[in-house]
Amino acid sequence: NAGVTQTPKFQVLKTGQSMTLQCAQDMNHNSMYWYRQDPGMGLRLIYYSASEGTTDKGEVPNGYNVSRLNKREFSLRLESAAPSQTSVYFCASTGGTNLYEQYFGPGTRLTVT
Amino acid sequence: QKEVEQDPGPLSVPEGAIVSLNCTYSNSAFQYFMWYRQYSRKGPELLMYTYSSGNKEDGRFTAQVDKSSKYISLFIRDSQPSDSATYLCAMSAELTGGGNKLTFGTGTQLKVEL
Repeated sequence: NAGVTQTPKFQVLKTGQSMTLQCAQDMNHNSMYWYRQDPGMGLRLIYYSASEGTTDKGEVPNGYNVSRLNKREFSLRLESAAPSQTSVYFCASTGGTNLYEQYFGPGTRLTVT
Repeated sequence: QKEVEQDPGPLSVPEGAIVSLNCTYSNSAFQYFMWYRQYSRKGPELLMYTYSSGNKEDGRFTAQVDKSSKYISLFIRDSQPSDSATYLCAMSAELTGGGNKLTFGTGTQLKVEL
């Protein structure tokens, strides 16, 4: 039982390049989330998927797109990376007995130069 | 004004000290109150949660919620070097369509020294 996994762990992009961050969970959770974490800003919600087939914007969605590929997988895409998107990205899921408990992945450290 | 305010620290204490971590919030819709612990270069993990005002104890950790004052606290007794981490408060409100949205504080960095 791996929990929430994320790939890649690290990535360096040049401004304007695109990439997709992958997330998968093996806990049969319904809801999945993408956050970014920046110094002094805490964790901010980018997009979420309450259930398979649905996605909605969070607090800071601009510059990102998401795909809920199936119940297990939720990807985050940066179409044209900007230096302001340099951050640590966390995927999370929830859906067990405790709906308020989100399980987090190990994070992806992204630098955009 | 942020919905959740948390002193970022850093907070440095000697081993065995009692640690008090606090958050204030402004949104009355928050229903669940949580503390997450995040070790360096790791994802956050849930430490404790509370639903109503009052205290909840789990080993060396006590979570306290005062909804009337919109104030939550986490106390760590007999602190250990292994408690050195960033502690994030989080508050939950339901999302349209299901699931819960967590609003996080910025985190308090704690170091427990030998």
